[in-house]
Amino acid sequence: DAGVIQSPRHEVTEMGQEVTLRCKPISGHDYLFWYRQTMMRGLELLIYFNNNVPIDDSGMPEDRFSAKMPNASFSTLKIQPSEPRDSAVYFCASSLGLGRGNEQFFGPGTRLTVL
Amino acid sequence: GEDVEQSLFLSVREGDSSVINCTYTDSSSTYLYWYKQEPGAGLQLLTYIFSNMDMKQDQRLTVLLNKKDKHLSLRIADTQTGDSAIYFCAEWGYTGGFKTIFGAGTRL
Repeated sequence: DAGVIQSPRHEVTEMGQEVTLRCKPISGHDYLFWYRQTMMRGLELLIYFNNNVPIDDSGMPEDRFSAKMPNASFSTLKIQPSEPRDSAVYFCASSLGLGRGNEQFFGPGTRLTVL
Repeated sequence: GEDVEQSLFLSVREGDSSVINCTYTDSSSTYLYWYKQEPGAGLQLLTYIFSNMDMKQDQRLTVLLNKKDKHLSLRIADTQTGDSAIYFCAEWGYTGGFKTIFGAGTRL
C-alpha cells in the first residue's frame, strides 16, 4: 500500500479564498483523522471519522472549517473563507481501530500558507 | 485543562544516550505514544506503552512511565545522526469519547 496520500503537498492562497485539502487513507482502515500542526499550538486533532461517519469534530476551530468523507477512500477538509491564521501543516492519518496500540499512519501533510 | 509538556530541544553527541522527557496531566490516559517526525514528513509511530506498564524496551528504545508523577521518558541508546528529528509524546484515552493530546515536540 502507498500509505496515506494527501494532496496538495503545498498550497498558497489569498485570504478569503476557499481551500480544499484531500486525503486518501490506507485501504481497509476504518478510522480517519485530520490534524493541524502549528508552531504556536503544536499538533491538534481537528476531527475524526469512523466508517465515513464524523464522530468527534470538537477540535474544529471555527465554522469556516468543514470535513467530509463521502466514501471509505476519500476525505476532504475545507476552509471557507481562509484566513492567514489558518496557515499550518495539515495532516491526515488513518488507523484500523482505536486504542490497543492501533497505530495511526500519517500522511506527509499539506503545508498551507494563507497570505 | 489537559496538557502534555516536553522540552523543546535536546542535543547529544553521537553514540551517547538521549533521554526525552514528557509530562502529562490526564490520569485517565490509556496509552502513551512516542512519535518521530523527520523534516517534511508526517509522524511515524516509534513505540507506545499501556498505562498499566512502567517500562517497555524495543531495541534501542526504552520507554519509562511513572504513572504517579505522570512522567514519561524515551531513551534512545547509541544515538545516531539518523535519529535527528522531532519527537512527540502523545496521550490517548477513551472515556466517553476518544481523546488524544500531543506535546509540542522535542527537537533532537
